[in-house]
Amino acid sequence: LAKTTQPISMDSYEGQEVNITCSHNNIATNDYITWYQQFPSQGPRFIIQGYKTKVTNEVASLFIPADRKSSTLSLPRVSLSDTAVYYCLVGFGHGSGNTGKLIFGQGTTLQVKP
Amino acid sequence: EAGVTQFPSHSVIEKGQTVTLRCDPISGHDNLYWYRRVMGKEIKFLLHFVKESKQDESGMPNNRFLAERTGGTYSTLKVQPAELEDSGVYFCASSQEGAGASYEQYFGPGTRLTVT
Repeated sequence: LAKTTQPISMDSYEGQEVNITCSHNNIATNDYITWYQQFPSQGPRFIIQGYKTKVTNEVASLFIPADRKSSTLSLPRVSLSDTAVYYCLVGFGHGSGNTGKLIFGQGTTLQVKP
Repeated sequence: EAGVTQFPSHSVIEKGQTVTLRCDPISGHDNLYWYRRVMGKEIKFLLHFVKESKQDESGMPNNRFLAERTGGTYSTLKVQPAELEDSGVYFCASSQEGAGASYEQYFGPGTRLTVT
């Protein structure tokens, strides 16, 4: 599975837009890009997934350039409750032979300040 | 609809003792996964069940760990005998069969295991 690189930590203030970029230079043709969020004392929670271009849901947007070697998770107008660890994961594509297991990196710890 | 539940939420045992963790997946989810995070490390995959069959157990650290999923419903993870390095948080996750590329997994809150 492709390795991902993302910043260890980020700080932001309430109401700001936060963009977390993840590098995945070795992404395979069949791989999807998925982001999970984890609050303290909870399990990770699926946020968003995409293959190319842009995906948006009620929580976030995911921007993927044409070469797919990176992706950016965008959180609009963050609040204190968005303080969490955000994981970028790559894989899970059809025919990739992956059983669905998730490979977590260190993630990005986002601290939202008042 | 109930989410993934895990029991107990916290367990403190002495080295050499046995502990059994339980996971109840979301009803109807054929895929069940176990993960764990040991102190200061990343979340690591342990194994994957499809119904009652072990699909992938490549992440199981050693033979002191035994996972079962009788009847394809809930799963147990037994550690026997427990060692200090087994301390950490054990997560269970489940997903639907045929989720295609999504592989959206629903995680439980985890069981914090402390071996003293």
